[in-house]
Amino acid sequence: EAGVTQSPTHLIKTRGQQATLRCSPISGHTSVYWYQQALGLGLQFLLWYDEGEERNRGNFPPRFSGRQFPNYSSELNVNALELEDSALYLCASSRSSGDYGYTFGSGTRLTVV
Amino acid sequence: AQKITQTQPGMFVQEKEAVTLDCTYDTSDPSYGLFWYKQPSSGEMIFLIYQGSYDQQNATEGRYSLNFQKARKSANLVISASQLGDSAMYFCAMRESDTGFQKLVFGTGTRLLVSP
Repeated sequence: EAGVTQSPTHLIKTRGQQATLRCSPISGHTSVYWYQQALGLGLQFLLWYDEGEERNRGNFPPRFSGRQFPNYSSELNVNALELEDSALYLCASSRSSGDYGYTFGSGTRLTVV
Repeated sequence: AQKITQTQPGMFVQEKEAVTLDCTYDTSDPSYGLFWYKQPSSGEMIFLIYQGSYDQQNATEGRYSLNFQKARKSANLVISASQLGDSAMYFCAMRESDTGFQKLVFGTGTRLLVSP
């Protein structure tokens, strides 16, 4: 069984640009979660998608947005990049919104210069 | 208020010894789940063990066990017979469902170093 896959592995952007991060969940998983992990810090909840709908978002500005496609893959968009957006972005998936089996991907390391 | 507290920024242990990583939590939800994840330097979060709030017995998974003390709101991870490959960051996390929103809240982590 393929795990959660994220692309790209690394991304370097200039301040003010937009970044798009992608996540493919495990087959059969319908929920996708996005987390931000700034250097040396714990994980901060960003967004939760289930069955194509945004179910919850963390305390992040509106320039952090995303969507979930019919095949349950997901995209995280970060507009107007700021230096402090540099972080590891982790995606996780689970079977349903009530399931505890979260599986994480390896993350996308975003660097804003 | 801090939902998950990990008070040990770093822990050192010798190979083959046991180590306990502390985690306390705060919730008013009677139904919750507690998780431990390992994060090696590669960045991937690796699921280790899960404990449900209604589980009667402490969870165990191979060398990992969870010392769940519900009244004290603690969920400490015990790693027996430490190995060099156990060196990593360890995160405790909680899932709450009181509002129907399923997300994990993470602690700040404990860095474990296993020495030969």
